[in-house]
Amino acid sequence: AQSVSQHNHHVILSEAASLELGCNYSYGGTVNLFWYVQYPGQHLQLLLKYFSGDPLVKGIKGFEAEFIKSKFSFNLRKPSVQWSDTAEYFCAVNAKGSYIPTFGRGTSLIVHP
Amino acid sequence: KAGVTQTPRYLIKTRGQQVTLSCSPISGHRSVSWYQQTPGQGLQFLFEYFSETQRNKGNFPGRFSGRQFSNSRSEMNVSTLELGDSALYLCASSWTGDYNEQFFGPGTRLTVL
Repeated sequence: AQSVSQHNHHVILSEAASLELGCNYSYGGTVNLFWYVQYPGQHLQLLLKYFSGDPLVKGIKGFEAEFIKSKFSFNLRKPSVQWSDTAEYFCAVNAKGSYIPTFGRGTSLIVHP
Repeated sequence: KAGVTQTPRYLIKTRGQQVTLSCSPISGHRSVSWYQQTPGQGLQFLFEYFSETQRNKGNFPGRFSGRQFSNSRSEMNVSTLELGDSALYLCASSWTGDYNEQFFGPGTRLTVL
């Protein structure tokens, strides 16, 4: 069974700081990878996804993530965060051919203006 | 295109009661998944339905059940409620579930007293 680990449970940054949220998964086969974001009071929504191809994936709102297969990692990055990025971030993984993603426990990001 | 809708949005029940939650997927989506979200456990997969059939099931007790109708709408039922069932219950829909980009609803906040 696959599992997903998000190392940072709570992150507090000031505006304009750079962000990197870690995500590691355990599964030996081919995977699809996702980052979801849940803004306060809003639906969980897709930030970006990786299925195949270029391991550097660009998402919405200036976010990007890099898939490093050898490290089983899919870290989320943003060069300069804004107060509006305050949210809960979830990494998710599903094995190719599986219909169900496994989610990490989430990282709460607070950005101070 | 309308998003995933869930009703009711908030629910308060007492221990021992049962509850039914409803989810209407995005039009054309045939896969509906249910998740339980709690602060300590993150998102945990309950079950997934596709074309009225339960295709996948998570590790939850038999008190949690669901069904899907011919129009892809889905219901989730929890019988004999326990305090620990208090959570945000999320429904997500996708086209087939294969590449599994899921679109989430706003959730039903269930409080068990």
